Amino acid sequence: KQEVTQIPAALSVPEGENLVLNCSFTDSAIYNLQWFRQDPGKGLTSLLLIQSSQREQTSGRLNASLDKSSGRSTLYIAASQPGDSATYLCAVNADSNYQLIWGAGTKLIIKP
Amino acid sequence: DVKVTQSSRYLVKRTGEKVFLECVQDMDHENMFWYRQDPGLGLRLIYFSYDVKMKEKGDIPEGYSVSREKKERFSLILESASTNQTSMYLCASKGTGGTLNYGYTFGSGTRLTVV
Repeated sequence: KQEVTQIPAALSVPEGENLVLNCSFTDSAIYNLQWFRQDPGKGLTSLLLIQSSQREQTSGRLNASLDKSSGRSTLYIAASQPGDSATYLCAVNADSNYQLIWGAGTKLIIKP
Repeated sequence: DVKVTQSSRYLVKRTGEKVFLECVQDMDHENMFWYRQDPGLGLRLIYFSYDVKMKEKGDIPEGYSVSREKKERFSLILESASTNQTSMYLCASKGTGGTLNYGYTFGSGTRLTVV
């Protein structure tokens, strides 16, 4: 059974730092992996989607990598800003019914 | 951009009421999903639909039903609301086929309180 783990559960860093959020999964047979951000009390915003055949995706200051063989994905945030403060969730699409397997999220706080 | 619209941001309903949560997407996506999100439990799939009039149970379907009469609209129904259904409800859609359609798009959520 596929399981997704995100470490750390919470992270607090000063503004301007580069940081990495981690996501690991137990079964490498995935269709794709998606990173989301969630602000308190709000819905989910899709950040990056990596297909199983891809190694990384970039959007602005965000870069997500995927290593299926080791069951790992990282979300790299460059030059962090207070507006990046949110909970970051990764989710794996692991079956043909398109159901997502979710990590528990990393709560990120960027201190001004 | 794909838009998924949930009709209400906040709802307060009484125990025993029949509650309808509406979700509409504008990109002709085949697949639609209803999740609930609770602190410490994460996101849990209630129901999903991969076509008009089709539905599949997710992990926690008890106490809920769904309706998909049109491709763009997926409704979640609480037949008789109970206090343990107080939660954040999230709707999502996803296309089939083609690289650009593999991602999920979520609505902004409905915070339902049952009193």
